[in-house]
Amino acid sequence: EAQVTQNPRYLITVTGKKLTVTCSQNMNHEYMSWYRQDPGLGLRQIYYSMNVEVTDKGDVPEGYKVSRKEKRNFPLILESPSPNQTSLYFCASSLTGASYEQYFGPGTRLTVT
Amino acid sequence: GQNIDQPTEMTATEGAIVQINCTYQTSGFNGLFWYQQHAGEAPTFLSYNVLDGLEEKGRFSSFLSRSKGYSYLLLKELQMKDSASYLCAVRDYGGSQGNLIFGKGTKLSVKP
Repeated sequence: EAQVTQNPRYLITVTGKKLTVTCSQNMNHEYMSWYRQDPGLGLRQIYYSMNVEVTDKGDVPEGYKVSRKEKRNFPLILESPSPNQTSLYFCASSLTGASYEQYFGPGTRLTVT
Repeated sequence: GQNIDQPTEMTATEGAIVQINCTYQTSGFNGLFWYQQHAGEAPTFLSYNVLDGLEEKGRFSSFLSRSKGYSYLLLKELQMKDSASYLCAVRDYGGSQGNLIFGKGTKLSVKP
């Protein structure tokens, strides 16, 4: 089944404890992206990747890192999480950056205390 | 700057028609998208417009006027399962290729 998977789906952690949210797609997509969704603010892009080893900042990259060593995986790294990073995170992918449809993962609900 | 506006909430009756409007101001434009998002779930793609006019897909239609910076999503024969948030997004080539700028979403409640 064609899909985008994220792990974990739910995470409660403490300030400063490094964490990684994994994202994987099995559709051989070139373009991958991370968003966060907060009430009243909508979906905002954190980082994106046009292809392997090519990543760039989105609108809200502060406090996050990403890597794209393989086409299928695009992990999101929070080196020192803070409470303002409590949010719902979505990974998405599309065949290319010009494709009209992005496929979203199921989301990761992160709480930082 | 980049701005996408859509109503925060709407209510409609089962079987009726509802129109959700979206206005946008972006530095570039290369397509307008509508996504549906049920509470607690991932957004799913509904429609894409890049030229002016109406695109119809079953009960859902989407309209675009590039000169007015305006789009709407039309939902016909509303069903209870259509209760969801509807997200308007613009792909802006003024910045980086492929990136979508999302509006804050319109929460639609369908009443019996």
